[in-house]
Amino acid sequence: EIVMTQSPATLSVSPGERATLSCRASQSVSSNLAWYQQKPGQAPRLLIYGASTRATGIPARFSGSGSGTEFTLTISSLQSEDFAVYYCQQYNNWPSLTFGGGTKVEIK
Amino acid sequence: EVQLVQSGAEVKKPGESLKISCKGSGYSFTSYWIGWVRQMPGKGLEWMGIIYPGDSDTRYSPSFQGQVTISADKSISTAYLQWSSLKASDTAMYYCARHRDGYNVRYFDIWGQGTMVTVSS
Repeated sequence: EIVMTQSPATLSVSPGERATLSCRASQSVSSNLAWYQQKPGQAPRLLIYGASTRATGIPARFSGSGSGTEFTLTISSLQSEDFAVYYCQQYNNWPSLTFGGGTKVEIK
Repeated sequence: EVQLVQSGAEVKKPGESLKISCKGSGYSFTSYWIGWVRQMPGKGLEWMGIIYPGDSDTRYSPSFQGQVTISADKSISTAYLQWSSLKASDTAMYYCARHRDGYNVRYFDIWGQGTMVTVSS
């Protein structure tokens, strides 16, 4: 099973600042990597797929990069509504669809 | 509007059985896989298994194989997750989500609102 490791577990950022989240796969997942955002009391929402393609309706301040085993989600200028937990997920090793442990982005 | 609507919260006792549902609408239900994801209180997301309603092809995570049963009734565009004997450790939020069929499109693009299952004596 591919293990997805996210870091840091918690990221403290001030509104308007940049946030950089990391996701590492235990073996190559090519570009078959998605990012999800989950706010308290809500279901996860797809942000990024194919490692770098924004899903429909996702603001341009969200960007994804990487391939193989190292991936990054960048939020260029944090807005109040962006404070949430973010998960990466690989879908290269289907039907196993493993998630990372999540990164909580909190207000500094 | 494309959506997945899940059944309501459940409170059960250990040893009881349970079946929760996920109804799709606004798209061709038989052309997408439906997955189930567990989220224990205060924890992350865990993939449990997936089903293709078109032919009921079902795959399970090794962690959940034998612990739950996933099924679907394509005539009513509904997928199910069931337990034959609940344990306290099954207490969690359960989400359904869909993904397309194909090598590089198997990400979950639409999620249900979640079903909270509480198992307590």
